[in-house]
Parts: sequence; structure tokens; C-alpha cells
Amino acid sequence: DVKVTQSSRYLVKRTGEKVFLECVQDMDHENMFWYRQDPGLGLRLIYFSYDVKMKEKGDIPEGYSVSREKKERFSLILESASTNQTSMYLCASSLSFDGLAFFGQGTRLTVV
Amino acid sequence: AQSVAQPEDQVNVAEGNPLTVKCTYSVSGNPYLFWYVQYPNRGLQFLLKYITGDNLVKGSYGFEAEFNKSQTSFHLKKPSALVSDSALYFCAVRFSGNTPLVFGKGTRLSVIA
Repeated sequence: DVKVTQSSRYLVKRTGEKVFLECVQDMDHENMFWYRQDPGLGLRLIYFSYDVKMKEKGDIPEGYSVSREKKERFSLILESASTNQTSMYLCASSLSFDGLAFFGQGTRLTVV
Repeated sequence: AQSVAQPEDQVNVAEGNPLTVKCTYSVSGNPYLFWYVQYPNRGLQFLLKYITGDNLVKGSYGFEAEFNKSQTSFHLKKPSALVSDSALYFCAVRFSGNTPLVFGKGTRLSVIA
């Protein structure tokens, strides 16, 4: 089975901190994604990557950056955390041919 | 503009009754369609997908979905609901090529014993 692992289930950070959310997948998928999930808004795409060292902005990239130095790892970076970035963050990976995405367990981030 | 809609925020069903969770999309061409389920404090789990072929797709846990091209819909169905089906359900669409999935806002299903 495909496994997508996010490094933390719960995080509490202070406003202004630099925050790293890590995601690792074990099935050699080319594509990796970061979404945030908020009540009533569904899942919104922050950034995605089709290959190592490649990244593309999603619908809401402001305040975030990403890093993909290795195929299996995709990191989301909050440069200076703000309270409006309190949310559930979901990482996913997929193969190119059908788009079926496999999700990690999610990281619930609270910025205080 | 390409979009996917789940018109109901909440669906309530009695245990044993059939359930339907609705999804419509707006796109030209032949999209790939997916349903996912999310249990509390968990990631999304894949239920089923339609890419091509038979319009009725069967998936996990007894769920199925019917692709209707003329109505641009992909409604999720189950003949007999269980209390354990209570969860948040997301419809997702891949509109073209190797592009990210676009998700609906989700429908919360409550199955009442």
C-alpha cells in the first residue's frame, strides 16, 4: 500500500515563527501536493510539484513556500506564521497517468 | 471556469435507507472523477474513481457512483446506509492532463440509528 507520512499530527507555533511541515511518500510517485482544509471551504491547493526541484503555485500560495530536494519528500514552509494560517494541512502524492491521490494523515497547525 | 460543486453541506439519512451525496462539475472534455471520505482528524481515503468505461462505478465499503455526462454529475450512492458511514465526503475532479485534483467543499453525511 502507498504510504504518505506527515511528520506531525499536531503543531502549535507562535506568530512570526518559521514553520516546516514535512511529507514523505514511499511509492516513487512523481507528483506531490500540499492542500489546506478549512471548514466550509473544502481543500484548497497551496503548492504542487511534478518532479524533483520543480514547484508550481496552487490557488493560495501566499505566505507559503515549498521544497522538493528528493523525489520522496515535499516540504511546506510557512515563512512567518500568522494566525490566519491556523488550519489542517494535507499532503498527497500521485502518479501522473490517472491522478489518483493518496493522502497523509494531516497536520493540524495552530498559530497563536 | 472549471469547477466542482457539492450542493449539500449536510445529508442526514436513517440507517438502512439508501443514501445519495451529490456532485456536479463544470468542464469541457472528459474529466477524471473521484470520491474520497474523511473520518474525524484523519486524512482523505479514496473510495472510487471514474476515468472511462461503464458509467456505474463500484468502490470501497459498498459505495458506488454514476457518471452522467449530459448532466455533468457524479453522485455517490449506497443502497443501505450504516451508522459507520457517517463522515465527510469529497468529490474531486482532474480536468485535463497531469493536473492537480480540484475538490468540492465537502458534504457531511450523518447516518442516524
